[in-house]
Amino acid sequence: KAGVTQTPRYLIKTRGQQVTLSCSPISGHRSVSWYQQTPGQGLQFLFEYFSETQRNKGNFPGRFSGRQFSNSRSEMNVSTLELGDSALYLCASSWSGRPLGTGELFFGEGSRLTVL
Amino acid sequence: GQNIDQPTEMTATEGAIVQINCTYQTSGFNGLFWYQQHAGEAPTFLSYNVLDGLEEKGRFSSFLSRSKGYSYLLLKELQMKDSASYLCAGMDSNYQLIWGAGTKLIIKP
Repeated sequence: KAGVTQTPRYLIKTRGQQVTLSCSPISGHRSVSWYQQTPGQGLQFLFEYFSETQRNKGNFPGRFSGRQFSNSRSEMNVSTLELGDSALYLCASSWSGRPLGTGELFFGEGSRLTVL
Repeated sequence: GQNIDQPTEMTATEGAIVQINCTYQTSGFNGLFWYQQHAGEAPTFLSYNVLDGLEEKGRFSSFLSRSKGYSYLLLKELQMKDSASYLCAGMDSNYQLIWGAGTKLIIKP
């Protein structure tokens, strides 16, 4: 089956602009999580959506927002971009988002954002 | 606070064995995950432990001690393709994953 698809894969923006990233989960998966990854840092959790509802949120400023559509596809938006927002943004899907036992997260290859 | 600690980088020789350690502090505990991430690629699932003990899966094994807040990933018969970053993540009581910064494993011939 098709994996998690993220678009765009690469993008360059300037400070003050806004950006929207898209994630299509594996068919049948209802949970989508977003992470920010920077060199030397662990994956930083942004938020998780399940059935169009934000179920969990990390410690990021309000400039970072997201949503999930009825087909489970998700978007995240970053407004008023700052240099420090340059990172790899990873999306992960799972059936329930509660991977107890045998479940796990399936990651997309990410969207690499560079802010100049 | 919640925290995951793992070494930044390790080097090992092809054909050898390497153990990557991870210590965790989470608010509540719902299990510990290991993921592998090759440079420029997505992380992929390796293992999940929620009970104490060793779980073996081919050349890879993962161990958990809940009383010590400690886990390790054991890689045997190392191959060059095992060169990657290994990410440890603990799941807290809210089912949120807390990630370590990752251990970059370098395999030398």
